Amino acid sequence: QQPVQSPQAVILREGEDAVINCSSSKALYSVHWYRQKHGEAPVFLMILLKGGEQKGHEKISASFNEKKQQSSLYLTASQLSYSGTYFCGTEIPRGTSYGKLTFGQGTILTVHP
Amino acid sequence: EAGVAQSPRYKIIEKRQSVAFWCNPISGHATLYWYQQILGQGPKLLIQFQNNGVVDDSQLPKDRFSAERLKGVDSTLKIQPAKLEDSAVYLCASSPQGYEQYFGPGTRLTVT
Repeated sequence: QQPVQSPQAVILREGEDAVINCSSSKALYSVHWYRQKHGEAPVFLMILLKGGEQKGHEKISASFNEKKQQSSLYLTASQLSYSGTYFCGTEIPRGTSYGKLTFGQGTILTVHP
Repeated sequence: EAGVAQSPRYKIIEKRQSVAFWCNPISGHATLYWYQQILGQGPKLLIQFQNNGVVDDSQLPKDRFSAERLKGVDSTLKIQPAKLEDSAVYLCASSPQGYEQYFGPGTRLTVT
């Protein structure tokens, strides 16, 4: 089942902050975050693993509430380059097909000067 | 380090025709994924390979889609025959250990 992202769209001015949320109805092993600019491929931002481990960019922060199966991506002091569509991808507890992600519908972030 | 390569970048075909896409993952990456991304939606996994074996193809429409990964490196995805609803961007991604995924530029398919 597809995770639900909110909000669907965000408009910011440079320097403002934003939070993007991702919620799943299933127990999760990990949550991934990707950013996709128009006409380009998704780019990996961060992965949050059950148990608290995180891997990703130093300037991006995120949280993972294992009990609620929710994750939030925090974008602080936004820059023009942050504009794009943000996707969360969720992974259920691993069996043989580890790394299998189900992506949300995306959150469009627009940063204006 | 070279990224994931895909070709062609664009393809226009008529319905009922066949089409093939090619992907060359990052060297050393054991896991390879094919996704379908319809405009305005998130990527949808079609098939996942671990080396040259299929580990998940539960969302692959097997009556018309097929994929293979020869020698655990390059991969091809084929559609035969194509339908109008197959119009989408087909993304290939690879991963070293099943964690972060590195995506190729994609192939934009238009079926008329």
